[in-house]
Amino acid sequence: QSVLTQPPSVSAAPGQMVTISCSGSISNIGNNYVSWYQQLPGTVPKLVIYDSNKRPSGTPDRFSGSKSGTSATLGITGLQTGDEADYYCGTWDSSLSAGMVFGGGTKLTVL
Amino acid sequence: QVQLQESGPGLVKPSETLSLTCTVSGGSISGYYWNWIRQSPGKGLEWIGYIFHSGSTKYNPSLKSRVSISVDTSKNQFSLKLTSVTAADTAVYYCARQWVYTSSSGPLDYWGQGTLVTVSS
Repeated sequence: QSVLTQPPSVSAAPGQMVTISCSGSISNIGNNYVSWYQQLPGTVPKLVIYDSNKRPSGTPDRFSGSKSGTSATLGITGLQTGDEADYYCGTWDSSLSAGMVFGGGTKLTVL
Repeated sequence: QVQLQESGPGLVKPSETLSLTCTVSGGSISGYYWNWIRQSPGKGLEWIGYIFHSGSTKYNPSLKSRVSISVDTSKNQFSLKLTSVTAADTAVYYCARQWVYTSSSGPLDYWGQGTLVTVSS
């Protein structure tokens, strides 16, 4: 059971928009920045959003991030087949069991 | 361009110690947290721990009793030791660089290619 909760899967058609949610608590998302990682099939996770809403160089502006309270959201517009991947949210948890925590991952299918 | 490369045995016997090294090239090991993260087959990401170039460490509480991370700044390397392994420790092990933030969580911006470690007799 992951500390951060993500939907197991989402799907949408090419060109459409999709959002992936990441739910946590005050000890993690509520008081820390959130990062999002894209893991294409058989590859290494890649940072696509950091500081909850910033894009590293190389991440298309079709990708966006937001955070409100104890939840974060990754949005992808203009979906492409190449966006099909697993997406993970991650942040720091400041509770007694302090450490970096991830969501369980969301499989994005572009229909 | 910063590059990270994991190295170590791909097969470890149950009850023995898993040892991996991550070599950092293209940049200094100073000024960042250096993490170990693993991913069991078909599963999600699990943080193992990190080390700062000074040697200070932080570990996943669920693994803390079995984990040790060390750094060799002269070789631009950091290493992972996980003792008393079982089949549940079979995973792809990644090393990754993390930005240091004073009051929040920095992102993991560079990752190694990952190395599969299988625990089996």
